[in-house]
Amino acid sequence: RKEVEQDPGPFNVPEGATVAFNCTYSNSASQSFFWYRQDCRKEPKLLMSVYSSGNEDGRFTAQLNRASQYISLLIRDSKLSDSATYLCVVNRRGSTLGRLYFGRGTQLTVWP
Amino acid sequence: EAGVTQSPTHLIKTRGQQVTLRCSPISGHTSVYWYQQALGLGLQFLLWYDEGEERNRGNFPPRFSGRQFPNYSSELNVNALELEDSALYLCASENRGRNQPQHFGDGTRLSIL
Repeated sequence: RKEVEQDPGPFNVPEGATVAFNCTYSNSASQSFFWYRQDCRKEPKLLMSVYSSGNEDGRFTAQLNRASQYISLLIRDSKLSDSATYLCVVNRRGSTLGRLYFGRGTQLTVWP
Repeated sequence: EAGVTQSPTHLIKTRGQQVTLRCSPISGHTSVYWYQQALGLGLQFLLWYDEGEERNRGNFPPRFSGRQFPNYSSELNVNALELEDSALYLCASENRGRNQPQHFGDGTRLSIL
C-alpha cells in the first residue's frame, strides 16, 4: 500500500464552484501534513500546512482526521488561477527518516 | 530572503554521459532533499542530506549520488545517463524544526537524447 493516496482526478469545475480533495495516509506515525500545489512543469509550492484542529486560509480549508488517517482540502469560490495539481504531503520522522511522502496529486481544472 | 536556487535550469545530455546538478538551500536550512519527477508522474524521493551527511536515499541505482558542502549547498551527480533519466530534478530545503515544510527550487529539467 502506498504511503499517501489521492484521487488523481481530473476534477473539472466551473468558476465559483466548491471542490474538495481527499487524501489518505498509511502510517499512523505520520506527524505533519501539508498541501502543495504544482502548476504544469513547475516546482511544487506550499499551499498550506494542515493542523489537527483544521485550518483555513482564505478560500482554502484543510482538515485532518488522525483516527481515520485522512486529510482533506476544500476550495470555495474556485478561480481560474486555482487550476493546478494539488499534492497531499505527509512527513514522518524517525531515526533514519525525515522526508516527505507525496501523493501522486489531484488535477484540478477550473473553467470559465 | 532568497529561496532555494538550482542550476542549471535546463540541460541536454546524451546516453552514457555524466551530469552534475546544483542546489543552494534557503539561508539557515541545513537539510537538502533531491527528487525526480518524470513527465506525468509524481515526485520520487532521491536523496536527503543534513549537516553534510547523507541521511537517506530512495530506490535509485548507485549511479545517482550527491554530496552536501559545509555551506549546506548540495550537488546531485548522475553517471552513465539513460533515456529514462529525463525528468525534472527538484531540490528542496528544510529548517529541521518540528513540523516544518520543505521549500522547492525551480528545478533542473534534464533531457537525455
